[in-house]
Amino acid sequence: KAGVTQTPRYLIKTRGQQVTLSCSPISGHRSVSWYQQTPGQGLQFLFEYFSETQRNKGNFPGRFSGRQFSNSRSEMNVSTLELGDSALYLCASSRDSEAFFGQGTRLTVV
Amino acid sequence: GESVGLHLPTLSVQEGDNSIINCAYSNSASDYFIWYKQESGKGPQFIIDIRSNMDKRQGQRVTVLLNKTVKHLSLQIAATQPGDSAVYFCAENRHPGANNLFFGTGTRLTVIP
Repeated sequence: KAGVTQTPRYLIKTRGQQVTLSCSPISGHRSVSWYQQTPGQGLQFLFEYFSETQRNKGNFPGRFSGRQFSNSRSEMNVSTLELGDSALYLCASSRDSEAFFGQGTRLTVV
Repeated sequence: GESVGLHLPTLSVQEGDNSIINCAYSNSASDYFIWYKQESGKGPQFIIDIRSNMDKRQGQRVTVLLNKTVKHLSLQIAATQPGDSAVYFCAENRHPGANNLFFGTGTRLTVIP
């Protein structure tokens, strides 16, 4: 059974640019959540999508957005990148309460 | 504000000993907790979970204890092995059925051969 797949694994972007990250959940999982992990703030919840609708949202600015497609694949977008957006972005999929994480996308903003 | 946190940032144990990693939470309404293990370069890996209607749950070499009176959670790893070296996070799911986790700061476990 394939796990959660995140692409790309690594990204380098310049301040002011925008970026789109992709997540393919485990087959049959309809919930996809996104998290940001930094050394200073730890793991923080960004948002959750279920059946193409945002179900929960964390405390991040509007520059962070996401969407989910009918096949449950999800994308998150960060616009007007700031240096502080450098982080590991993790996606997790779940069917019930147990969440399975991907390996993440390491974003570096320069 | 509400938070999920850990008592110690690092823990070193001898191979074969038992490890205990602690976590405190402040939201008394929380009713579902999960422990994750994160190895370098990887995403968090589910270890074990527990609901608030239980005070103990056992898995393979791991036990989670929940004390709702003092809002404390612990993860016990029996016969710790070098492969157990990782960062361990407790997480709180404030919306059971949803995928919306609040993580503690993590404890780095180092197993000494």
